Amino acid sequence: DTAVSQTPKYLVTQMGNDKSIKCEQNLGHDTMYWYKQDSKKFLKIMFSYNNKELIINETVPNRFSPKSPDKAHLNLHINSLELGDSAVYFCASSLNWLLQETQYFGPGTRLLVL
Amino acid sequence: AQKITQTQPGMFVQEKEAVTLDCTYDTSDPSYGLFWYKQPSSGEMIFLIYQGSYDQQNATEGRYSLNFQKARKSANLVISASQLGDSAMYFCAMRDTVGGTSYGKLTFGQGTILTVHP
Repeated sequence: DTAVSQTPKYLVTQMGNDKSIKCEQNLGHDTMYWYKQDSKKFLKIMFSYNNKELIINETVPNRFSPKSPDKAHLNLHINSLELGDSAVYFCASSLNWLLQETQYFGPGTRLLVL
Repeated sequence: AQKITQTQPGMFVQEKEAVTLDCTYDTSDPSYGLFWYKQPSSGEMIFLIYQGSYDQQNATEGRYSLNFQKARKSANLVISASQLGDSAMYFCAMRDTVGGTSYGKLTFGQGTILTVHP
């Protein structure tokens, strides 16, 4: 029983394409996050949603658009992909952003833009 | 300014020995949380241990313990009795607040690659 799942695990695509990454958590958590890990392994927050509402929107190009259809799902859509978007994208969830609660991460989606 | 600093890009340890991975942090907020995650070569992020700023005792989870020195703003991870499977990248992360609210955001350090030798 995977707690936080992401699809696809690998994504190879051409520059200029539009792609989506899906994330689902079955932990009953209210808050979900997207993090980006670059080629140097540095992890940075991109977005956070609490119960379908956006609460964190870091300085991310507006080609990136998160969507949360319900509190168990947080998808990431990327328009007009660029070479620099190549990275590992992690979804995470926690009980509630107000609490000092552990964030549990999905397995990551490895995106390669050619 | 870097909020979380891991000064050891790489560490080596002999199997069955203990190893300490360093982490220093910077915050002016009295309420914060410190986390350690393990990232093996397979890529997933595995939660290891958590320390709250108001916790009186150092956190422990099995072979993992956190050497929390609040005045020094350090939260070092100690792994006892190292195993080959401990070879991985280890990240320290902090959850603090900005203007009174953190929104749950974690700020990560650069990571330390730990190699356990047989």
